Amino acid sequence: EPEVTQTPSHQVTQMGQEVILRCVPISNHLYFYWYRQILGQKVEFLVSFYNNEISEKSEIFDDQFSVERPDGSNFTLKIRSTKLEDSAMYFCASTGGTGYYEQYFGPGTRLTVT
Amino acid sequence: AQTVTQSQPEMSVQEAETVTLSCTYDTSESDYYLFWYKQPPSRQMILVIRQEAYKQQNATENRFSVNFQKAAKSFSLKISDSQLGDAAMYFCAYRSAAGANNLFFGTGTRLTVIP
Repeated sequence: EPEVTQTPSHQVTQMGQEVILRCVPISNHLYFYWYRQILGQKVEFLVSFYNNEISEKSEIFDDQFSVERPDGSNFTLKIRSTKLEDSAMYFCASTGGTGYYEQYFGPGTRLTVT
Repeated sequence: AQTVTQSQPEMSVQEAETVTLSCTYDTSESDYYLFWYKQPPSRQMILVIRQEAYKQQNATENRFSVNFQKAAKSFSLKISDSQLGDAAMYFCAYRSAAGANNLFFGTGTRLTVIP
């Protein structure tokens, strides 16, 4: 069964460094998402992406964040200058459409900012 | 903004017994979708069941069923004949039927299944 994959599984970085989290959505999906989950808190929406542009973003997704689909398979989340509070699990998801289509989630990347 | 509340941080159930996980939500919309996601220790969230708000009939998927009370804005998940593999975090989620299609999640309920 097709699945969403994410790399790396764990990333440790120093405050102020740039990080890129990578996701490979399911190949025929059209909509892509990033969510994050700070330890012990709820999963929060960051951004959705469709047709090579951002379709929605939350207030968390400020100028430090950017997303890109550099080729036909990868979907990346870049954090330009990491802060301690960016430490979280970051989940990528994809879906085939805007109806009640299921969002398929990746296993997540644990980002630790020291 | 939509909010989703799960008031039970932890629940436990004996194997083969039934357990109900609670979820309430707040919205001014009339059309939306509700979901229960399961997140096993491997951390990949998997859809368990979904409910369309315009449907009065409660959704059922094998041992999983929901009690959807639209007026009360309540959406509970019942797991029958609990199995060890049901142990996981369970998240309730809301999605608008119009406009943004991102999910709003509750804080989750950790379910332990006792052999």
